[in-house]
Order: sequence, then structure tokens, then C-alpha cells
Amino acid sequence: ETGVTQSPTHLIKTRGQQVTLRCSSQSGHNTVSWYQQALGQGPQFIFQYYREEENGRGNFPPRFSGLQFPNYSSELNVNALELDDSALYLCASSLAGRTEAFFGQGTRLTVV
Amino acid sequence: QKEVEQNSGPLSVPEGAIASLNCTYSDRVSQSFFWYRQYSGKSPELIMSIYSNGDKEDGRFTAQLNKASQYVSLLIRDSQPSDSATYLCAVNVGGNDMRFGAGTRLTVKP
Repeated sequence: ETGVTQSPTHLIKTRGQQVTLRCSSQSGHNTVSWYQQALGQGPQFIFQYYREEENGRGNFPPRFSGLQFPNYSSELNVNALELDDSALYLCASSLAGRTEAFFGQGTRLTVV
Repeated sequence: QKEVEQNSGPLSVPEGAIASLNCTYSDRVSQSFFWYRQYSGKSPELIMSIYSNGDKEDGRFTAQLNKASQYVSLLIRDSQPSDSATYLCAVNVGGNDMRFGAGTRLTVKP
């Protein structure tokens, strides 16, 4: 049990809609990273949040945005959903300055 | 060239054998390397981290790193059917960006 929790576990949305995914980090972990994992692929880095600010971003368009709250929990927002956004979205938490990251159980997003 | 490359498999070994998983990476400045295990339909689970050249052992798992060859491997001794999963190699390429390979699917046959 890693202590990282994500909600919801599954979600179905229509193309063009917006979605918000949530993550509670492991106790004591102040850094949260989000990843997208398409079927049969490894996770791809979306962005990281530290001290409520974006602290690094992968190659994802601006319609992928996020927030981190004072309790270190985080949200991932995706606007104007596309069919290719269908994937497993993973949240990982870590201690600042440490590169070891621990994943939550993920949110399976299906865009139809 | 992909940043992190792994053989997709499937790799099949008999129970009790040694499973050898390999990974190469392209970024020479990478300093942190990880192996994650992912069961079907589940999220990745960190099983090994390695930062220095050489071997690092943890129970039945041994990670090996060769920075000069840009190569990292994972050996699983006495493989068990419960080890059947996809193994992801991950490389920290600087700052907060971790790059993953596509994973190697391992099947351990009883």
C-alpha cells in the first residue's frame, strides 16, 4: 500500500467535454507528478507540482492543466477531450529532492 | 531513437529460473534509474532504484547499472508465477522528468 489515492477509478466522458481527476499524495510527500499511460505503453510525464506551483512539464498541450493544494493533494484537468486522451492517468508522489516516485492506483479515462 | 528502450517481450521463463530484463537509455546525464512492476490493470509498483555503477541486490532482485554503456538491467532469481507482470524501466532525465520504457512482459510458467 503506497498511500497515494486517486479518484475516480473509472470515468467515461464524451469528446469535447472537460474532466477533473484527483490525487491525494502519500503522507509526508510534498511533490506530485501526473502521468498518462496509453495501452501497451509506458507512462508519459505530464507535469509535476511542488509547493502549489508547476515544477516541470512534459510534452502535453495547455489543455492539460493542474493544481496542487496546501495539503499537497492535486488535480489534473483536461479540457476539450479528444479520443486519444483515453488512457490510464497516474498520480505519483515523492519527497522534494528525491526521485523515487510512488504511484496511486490510477484513473482509467475513456473518451467516446 | 527512443529515450528508454526495452524489449517488449513476452519473455517466458520456467519457475525457479533467472529472468533477465534489459533497458538502454539515450541521455548520458541521467543519474537515477528505476524498475517498476506493473500487473495487468494495476498501477506501477517501485521495486528497485539504482544510482551508481555496479550491482544492487534486494532479495531475489538485482539491478545492474553501466553508465558508460547506458545500460541498466534487472535480474529476478528463483522466478515465481507471481512475478508474471510487465516490468518498466524508468530513467530520471533531470529535474522532475522521468522517462519510461514501454515495458517488458514477463511470464513465469509453473
